[in-house]
Amino acid sequence: AQSVTQPDIHITVSEGASLELRCNYSYGATPYLFWYVQSPGQGLQLLLKYFSGDTLVQGIKGFEAEFKRSQSSFNLRKPSVHWSDAAEYFCAVGEQTGANNLFFGTGTRLTVIP
Amino acid sequence: DTAVSQTPKYLVTQMGNDKSIKCEQNLGHDTMYWYKQDSKKFLKIMFSYNNKELIINETVPNRFSPKSPDKAHLNLHINSLELGDSAVYFCASSRAPSSTDTQYFGPGTRLTVL
Repeated sequence: AQSVTQPDIHITVSEGASLELRCNYSYGATPYLFWYVQSPGQGLQLLLKYFSGDTLVQGIKGFEAEFKRSQSSFNLRKPSVHWSDAAEYFCAVGEQTGANNLFFGTGTRLTVIP
Repeated sequence: DTAVSQTPKYLVTQMGNDKSIKCEQNLGHDTMYWYKQDSKKFLKIMFSYNNKELIINETVPNRFSPKSPDKAHLNLHINSLELGDSAVYFCASSRAPSSTDTQYFGPGTRLTVL
């Protein structure tokens, strides 16, 4: 069965510092992987996605993520965090076949301090 | 020109009541979804409709009944509300029921059952 683990419930970084949010997945085949961001009181917005090909994917707002099959990971990174990046971040895995059923991790809350 | 909208944004009601949440998308998408986000931020799919036909029906009590009057709308009706139904409910849509199609989320409806 598919599952997603985000080991860090809450991360605090200083503005301008680099960021890495961890995501590990469990899936029998090559997964489709996603990162979504949820700002306070808002719905989820897609940051980036990986289906195949280049394992380093670029997303919006300066985010990138790297798919590492050997580690079953899809970590999200940003070289320099801005105060507006404070939000909840969700990693998700999608199935290659069947309906568009996304399985989400429990999220990582990012706090940015000045 | 909100892409995916939900009403109401907040809903407070007593146990045993029946309530509905409405969702509309103006993206021209064929597929719509309902997700439930519990108090621990865990996000799980409940239903998915494609062209007004049910395609995903996860293990959800039959007190929850989705209705899709047309492709642009997917409403969620909940009978005999229970305390455990308190959560944030998100509607989403995608072009097609495929994991390669990005899901666009609404702002959520926070349901509180007293």
